[in-house]
Amino acid sequence: DVQLVQSGAEVKKPGESLKISCKASGDSFTTYWIGWVRQMPGKGLEWMGIIYLGGSDTRYSPSSQGQVTISADKSISTAYLQWSSLKASDTAMYYCASTLNGNFHYDYWGRGTLVTVSS
Amino acid sequence: QSALTQPASVSGSPGQSITISCTGTSSDVGGYNYVSWYQQHPGKAPKLMIYDVTNRPSGVSNRFSGSKSGNTASLTISGLQAEDEADYYCNSYTTSSTPNYVFGIGTKVTVL
Repeated sequence: DVQLVQSGAEVKKPGESLKISCKASGDSFTTYWIGWVRQMPGKGLEWMGIIYLGGSDTRYSPSSQGQVTISADKSISTAYLQWSSLKASDTAMYYCASTLNGNFHYDYWGRGTLVTVSS
Repeated sequence: QSALTQPASVSGSPGQSITISCTGTSSDVGGYNYVSWYQQHPGKAPKLMIYDVTNRPSGVSNRFSGSKSGNTASLTISGLQAEDEADYYCNSYTTSSTPNYVFGIGTKVTVL
């Protein structure tokens, strides 16, 4: 079965950088998309962007474009979400999720990485 | 791209049926049969309940069903149970913006 294992919780100060990860296992992921979803405290789900593990296609939401970098190491089936300068407003739970290319629903989800940004 | 419109809350008694609506536009819900629904319990990751408007993944109870009419999709939970109390989010493919998906604002389901 497909599993997505996310990196652990992080506590950072404003201005610091951060890279969190999502490692996929249980299948050949060269035909999968990985998406990153933000959930701010007490709020709903919000797409940040998606990346295709079988190529170079990466798509950002307008609010995430320029604020984060989504990347992947296809050789180890791992996707990343990266900030160069964190803000307090980046405090949230971040989920990764996967879908097979050609599908339009995300059927496997990681448990989430809690990022806390506080001075 | 604004979030899809869902009622903030829906409630029902055990055994009853409830329906959650999800309204979008012809660029998302109305234009494609790619609406999915996710259940999220407090402190847990979302779980796929319905995909492609009407399909249930393996292992999801047949008490959950989906439908669509025009720009509005719906999730119906029949025979409501205490374990169904959770937040529910619709999601649709969209051509209005990247990354080509948009969530609904979420609906809190309360079992009375």
